[in-house]
Amino acid sequence: EPEVTQTPSHQVTQMGQEVILRCVPISNHLYFYWYRQILGQKVEFLVSFYNNEISEKSEIFDDQFSVERPDGSNFTLKIRSTKLEDSAMYFCASSGGSSGGETQYFGPGTRLLVL
Amino acid sequence: SQKIEQNSEALNIQEGKTATLTCNYTNYSPAYLQWYRQDPGRGPVFLLLIRENEKEKRKERLKVTFDTTLKQSLFHITASQPADSATYLCAQGSGGSYIPTFGRGTSLIVHP
Repeated sequence: EPEVTQTPSHQVTQMGQEVILRCVPISNHLYFYWYRQILGQKVEFLVSFYNNEISEKSEIFDDQFSVERPDGSNFTLKIRSTKLEDSAMYFCASSGGSSGGETQYFGPGTRLLVL
Repeated sequence: SQKIEQNSEALNIQEGKTATLTCNYTNYSPAYLQWYRQDPGRGPVFLLLIRENEKEKRKERLKVTFDTTLKQSLFHITASQPADSATYLCAQGSGGSYIPTFGRGTSLIVHP
């Protein structure tokens, strides 16, 4: 069964450094998302991407964040200058196949730790 | 703004019993509600979606209801097993958007 994959599984970085989180969505999906989950808290929406552009973004997704689909398969989230409070699990998701746009398929996540 | 509320206390039940988890929403009625399972350190896994014009949905041992009068969805797992132990997330979606708003989840622990 097709699945969303994410790399790396863990990332440790120093405050102020740039990080790039990578995702490969399910191949026939059209909508791509990034969410984050701070330890013990709810899953929070960051950004959605459709037709090669951002379709929606939350207040969390400020100028420090950017997304890109550099080729036909990868979907990346870049944090330009990480802050301590960016430490969280970051999940990529995709939707829009035969199960419809509402059903989100999540990847296993990248655990980001900012020191 | 729309809020999703789930019981923050863990639900402990005995194997073989039916687990019932509650999701309450405030303000306007969502176009649909979803339930996901999340294991520690893993991504949410979609289980069921129910739309506002549906009363009940079933999938194998799972059943979800949507009560627009009570502003509540109930999620049932019948004949529960220790392998069902996980956190279950409720999420609401509005018409025209594919982006769900998640609740904090309820932890279910099934004891053998």
